[in-house]
Amino acid sequence: VHLVESGGGLIQPGGSLRLSCAASGFSVSNDNLSWVRQAPGKGLEWVSIIYSGGGTDYADSVQGRFTISRDSSKNTVYLQMNSLRDEDSAVYYCVRGEDYWGQGTLVTVSS
Amino acid sequence: QAVLTQPSSLSASPGASASLTCTLRRGINVGTYRIYWYQQKPGSPPQYLLRYTSDSDKQQGSGVPSRFSGSKDASANAGILLISGLQSEDEADYYCMIWRNSAWVFGGGTKLTVL
Repeated sequence: VHLVESGGGLIQPGGSLRLSCAASGFSVSNDNLSWVRQAPGKGLEWVSIIYSGGGTDYADSVQGRFTISRDSSKNTVYLQMNSLRDEDSAVYYCVRGEDYWGQGTLVTVSS
Repeated sequence: QAVLTQPSSLSASPGASASLTCTLRRGINVGTYRIYWYQQKPGSPPQYLLRYTSDSDKQQGSGVPSRFSGSKDASANAGILLISGLQSEDEADYYCMIWRNSAWVFGGGTKLTVL
């Protein structure tokens, strides 16, 4: 099992960014995949989940701004982040089920 | 009041045992939840340690030593991560998590110092 996040970077407030989580060793269609973030020096905050059945859920803090999706042909999960705010700055981790975490990708929202 | 409360820090000596607590907010019954535990070392992603619902429903993470174990204290409405035979490498941040209302909820984390 391997998860590789990408797509992070520096973005201005109000901007958009799409994170990718490329999976190997399992099918993203057969497992729940979540995004969890961690602001610098802070704790863990759950962001979103896409269930094996395709349904999705979001934290209140990102509802309406973020969209999680998957491409089974690429075995990849995405997190489209719009209307970004300073408080969205964090390392974003992709998680399979509740157990396997990727290395994360850093998102910095700043003018 | 937070859904899950963890002490911010804990210190223990090498070879001793450490009991890390995760207290659920009043009105949320620990007995009905599966509690997950994660270890995070500086500069690394969290690592899954184990999950605990009851003695008949628990799971150890792959490769996680048996000196890490989970339990619950119903009287305190808390989940517990017990680490026995503490080693210097156990120094890390520890987080608990539950599923609640179709969302993951994390505790604020406990920084464990082994000295």
